[in-house]
Amino acid sequence: EAQVTQNPRYLITVTGKKLTVTCSQNMNHEYMSWYRQDPGLGLRQIYYSMNVEVTDKGDVPEGYKVSRKEKRNFPLILESPSPNQTSLYFCASRRQGLGSTDTQYFGPGTRLTVL
Amino acid sequence: GQQVMQIPQYQHVQEGEDFTTYCNSSTTLSNIQWYKQRPGGHPVFLIQLVKSGEVKKQKRLTFQFGEAKKNSSLHITATQTTDVGTYFCAGWSGGSNYKLTFGKGTLLTVNP
Repeated sequence: EAQVTQNPRYLITVTGKKLTVTCSQNMNHEYMSWYRQDPGLGLRQIYYSMNVEVTDKGDVPEGYKVSRKEKRNFPLILESPSPNQTSLYFCASRRQGLGSTDTQYFGPGTRLTVL
Repeated sequence: GQQVMQIPQYQHVQEGEDFTTYCNSSTTLSNIQWYKQRPGGHPVFLIQLVKSGEVKKQKRLTFQFGEAKKNSSLHITATQTTDVGTYFCAGWSGGSNYKLTFGKGTLLTVNP
């Protein structure tokens, strides 16, 4: 079954404690992306990756890092989380970049609370 | 930077009524995508429009891309309770920048 998985699904942490949210897809997709969703602000892109070792900033990259060492995995790293990073995070993937007509698949989401 | 405005923010309808949500981009788009997110769920891809003036239909859903490729709409005919959710548009301006900008969404509720 084609899917995007994220872990953990829920996380409560404290300010400054480094954390990683994992994202994995089993569809051999090239394009992967992270979004955050906040009430009244909709979905905002944090980072995206066109392929292994190719990443670039979205609209709200501050305070986040990503890496793409393998095609299937695209972890989101918060080196020093702050309360304003409390949000619902979605990972997504699609076969090729935005110029193709591929479906973009979203993971189930990770609800992060930073105290 | 690129902005995508979506209206209305909320829409409540009686079952059987029609529904339309509109997106307007501050820049010309290479393509626009539409998603549906059920309450508590994740966004689900509905469709992508690429050509100027393009119209696509999926059962009761009709999607349009404007002639200038700066606006788009989603129209649902005869809404059903299963249509409840938030509908998002997302635009890509093309080129080597692969950022995808989402509208803030329209929350549709349907009274049975």
